[in-house]
Amino acid sequence: DQQVKQNSPSLSVQEGRISILNCDYTNSMFDYFLWYKKYPAEGPTFLISISSIKDKNEDGRFTVFLNKSAKHLSLHIVPSQPGDSAVYFCAASSSDMRFGAGTRLTVKP
Amino acid sequence: DTEVTQTPKHLVMGMTNKKSLKCEQHMGHRAMYWYKQKAKKPPELMFVYSYEKLSINESVPSRFSPECPNSSLLNLHLHALQPEDSALYLCASSQDTGGFGDEQYFGPGTRLTVT
Repeated sequence: DQQVKQNSPSLSVQEGRISILNCDYTNSMFDYFLWYKKYPAEGPTFLISISSIKDKNEDGRFTVFLNKSAKHLSLHIVPSQPGDSAVYFCAASSSDMRFGAGTRLTVKP
Repeated sequence: DTEVTQTPKHLVMGMTNKKSLKCEQHMGHRAMYWYKQKAKKPPELMFVYSYEKLSINESVPSRFSPECPNSSLLNLHLHALQPEDSALYLCASSQDTGGFGDEQYFGPGTRLTVT
């Protein structure tokens, strides 16, 4: 079963606007959540994480929000840049790691 | 079927043992990956197989030996490991190693402890 779901396989935004990537999970035992960015033929690059004891974590243009009651997290990128175009994976961990299938973000100049 | 399965789920082995990790997918994906992940760290790419041929080896020590018997299976043979090799080993697959179909599906991992 897919415990971590990214329901949007793709997202396209204009440069300078906000990109919002969403992720839902089903296992309430997850205590740590991560976002990865991935370019073709490369391994995932860690982007930002959040512990289950927090509801927001910000790092530069990237902010992750966690809503535990809804079992939902999101990644906001503001402002979006063409170099942000990649596949973004949401991941959740407890005793192991579960990844979503990814969302392909395209930022148009 | 959009699942990548990995066995065993947990493995404890001594430094002189030989063991193997197994990964299987039936999505018709032609690229498969091994990652190593330490606690609370992002996964580190180890190997990439594309069309059953090893395409990327990220300078992994020879005590880790990958094998891709067919397009659905990926093994990781372990021999003479060190305690610092204890980690979560993740397998993933994707349609191909490039292009739009590059979303990776990850298995749940094998938690390896080397004693």
